Amino acid sequence: DVKVTQSSRYLVKRTGEKVFLECVQDMDHENMFWYRQDPGLGLRLIYFSYDVKMKEKGDIPEGYSVSREKKERFSLILESASTNQTSMYLCASSGTYSYNEQFFGPGTRLTVL
Amino acid sequence: KNQVEQSPQSLIILEGKNCTLQCNYTVSPFSNLRWYKQDTGRGPVSLTIMTFSENTKSNGRYTATLDADTKQSSLHITASQLSDSASYICVVRGDNTDKLIFGTGTRLQVFP
Repeated sequence: DVKVTQSSRYLVKRTGEKVFLECVQDMDHENMFWYRQDPGLGLRLIYFSYDVKMKEKGDIPEGYSVSREKKERFSLILESASTNQTSMYLCASSGTYSYNEQFFGPGTRLTVL
Repeated sequence: KNQVEQSPQSLIILEGKNCTLQCNYTVSPFSNLRWYKQDTGRGPVSLTIMTFSENTKSNGRYTATLDADTKQSSLHITASQLSDSASYICVVRGDNTDKLIFGTGTRLQVFP
């Protein structure tokens, strides 16, 4: 079974703090993705990566950065957390081909106070 | 603009009843459409994938349909169970892209 794990299920941070969200997948997938999910808005793509050290901006990259130093690990960084970044963050991974399913982690619910 | 719209936003049914969820999309060119189930507090899990040439596909009590001409898909749940309570998300992939277009989901609640 594909497993995508995220470092925290719940996280509470203060405005201005630097926040790291970690994601690890165990299926040797090339592609990894970070989304945020907000009520009424669905999932929105923040960043994705096709390979180690590669990154591409998604639809809402402002205020975020990412790091992919190893194939299995994809980190999302909030350089200076703000209250409007309070959200559910979901990591996903997939293989190379277009029909490949994206497998999602359990999510991290981040609250910025 | 590529969009995916789902209806209804929410649905309440009694255990044992059937229901149908709708998904309309404007994504073009089209590659495939997936229905995901997301339990509360968990990540989405794929139920089924529909490609251009497929009209109907079943996965247990879940049956998905696709009309590529009208750009509509439906997910029919038969003999609902309490464990079917979840959000169901329609996700469309355009051709030649790894980016997905997500619907906002239908929240289904099944009561005994």
